[in-house]
Amino acid sequence: QVQLVQSGADVKKPGASVRVSCKASGDSLTTNDFNWVRQAPGQGLEWMGWMHPTGRITGYAQKFQGRVTMTRHTSTSTAYMELTGLTSDDTAVYYCARGHPFHGMGVWGQGTTVTVSS
Amino acid sequence: SFELTQPSSVSVSPGQTATITCSGDKLRDRNVFWYQQRPGQSPVLVIYQDYKRPSGIPERFSGSKTDNTAFLTISATQATDEADYYCQTWDSSTTFYFFGAGTKVTVL
Repeated sequence: QVQLVQSGADVKKPGASVRVSCKASGDSLTTNDFNWVRQAPGQGLEWMGWMHPTGRITGYAQKFQGRVTMTRHTSTSTAYMELTGLTSDDTAVYYCARGHPFHGMGVWGQGTTVTVSS
Repeated sequence: SFELTQPSSVSVSPGQTATITCSGDKLRDRNVFWYQQRPGQSPVLVIYQDYKRPSGIPERFSGSKTDNTAFLTISATQATDEADYYCQTWDSSTTFYFFGAGTKVTVL
């Protein structure tokens, strides 16, 4: 049974950066795409970007280009999402999700709450 | 920017059928996925490739598509089906995913 376990909640000041981790168990990172999705309080799901199983190819939603970086450590089966230049609009729950363009995002992490506040 | 349009809310009586629509440009040529999200929980994939159900998803959930509109139908709706439902698609030219704004299903 594949599970994705994310890092704990974080509080950041405006202008800072945040890095959220997502550890896969029961599977490796090299068999599926990895996606990051966020959800602001009371709002819908917003896709941020994806990382190819090789880790060499990434694609970021236009809104986040220049501010987001997605990486992985194969040896620890952990994926990372770093977001820079935080503002209060980045306050949200951030999810990692394993997915495929044909099969959808079938496995999700539990979510990581990031609060941006001065 | 590509958009998927869903109704903001749908109400249904227990045991009845709820249908959620999702419209978007060229949706006829794209895979559509549906997710259920209960309050405080992570989303769960309930339909992929327009109409296929992942293992463990009840048969009450079905998907279909006509032209550029996709449908999620919940038959014999139960109280536990009360949740937000999101449609999603993938654009092969950009390799980007797009979500609809979500539909809140209320079981009255």
